[in-house]
Amino acid sequence: GAGVSQSPRYKVAKRGQDVALRCDPISGHVSLFWYQQALGQGPEFLTYFQNEAQLDKSGLPSDRFFAERPEGSVSTLKIQRTQQEDSAVYLCASSPGRDRYEQYFGPGTRLTVT
Amino acid sequence: GENVEQHPSTLSVQEGDSAVIKCTYSDSASNYFPWYKQELGKGPQLIIDIRSNVGEKKDQRIAVTLNKTAKHFSLHITETQPEDSAVYFCAAVGFIFRGMRFGAGTRLTVKP
Repeated sequence: GAGVSQSPRYKVAKRGQDVALRCDPISGHVSLFWYQQALGQGPEFLTYFQNEAQLDKSGLPSDRFFAERPEGSVSTLKIQRTQQEDSAVYLCASSPGRDRYEQYFGPGTRLTVT
Repeated sequence: GENVEQHPSTLSVQEGDSAVIKCTYSDSASNYFPWYKQELGKGPQLIIDIRSNVGEKKDQRIAVTLNKTAKHFSLHITETQPEDSAVYFCAAVGFIFRGMRFGAGTRLTVKP
């Protein structure tokens, strides 16, 4: 079946621009996660949704970062007034949820802020 | 919060040899421990996982062991092949906090 998809795959933004990154999870998956991966490092947790409810946003680095999943399926990660330190790969993962913990990742969106 | 440490950071083995990567975690509430393989330009791929009520799990050439008392878990790859070359990440997840905490990664190189 179809895996997690993300768009765009690559995004170049000038400093100060707003960007929106999209994630389409595996159909039927209850949970959705966003991670940030800097070059040469492991992914860092940003935020977590169960259906449309954002249960944890403790990893969002600043109030410029905002995520939503209004209908419990597709999710969007928005970054306002981008800064150079926002340059990273943004990964989305989905999970069946409940008593199933496994998370399946999409290919990521590489964001470069110039 | 949870802290996951992973060793070694790089590992080079000859084709056919075994490779072992080790991780430790700090939060005793963590109860799920996955391993991911990441190739260049791709998202992490789940290769094996283990829950805290199990001590060992095996899937063909890959196995994971967990020592809850010592809070460490290991990935074992036997009969390594060049296509096993990638970066491997361990992670820990809790029942309440479902966001994964990752180790820093191990770059495995299998020489033909």
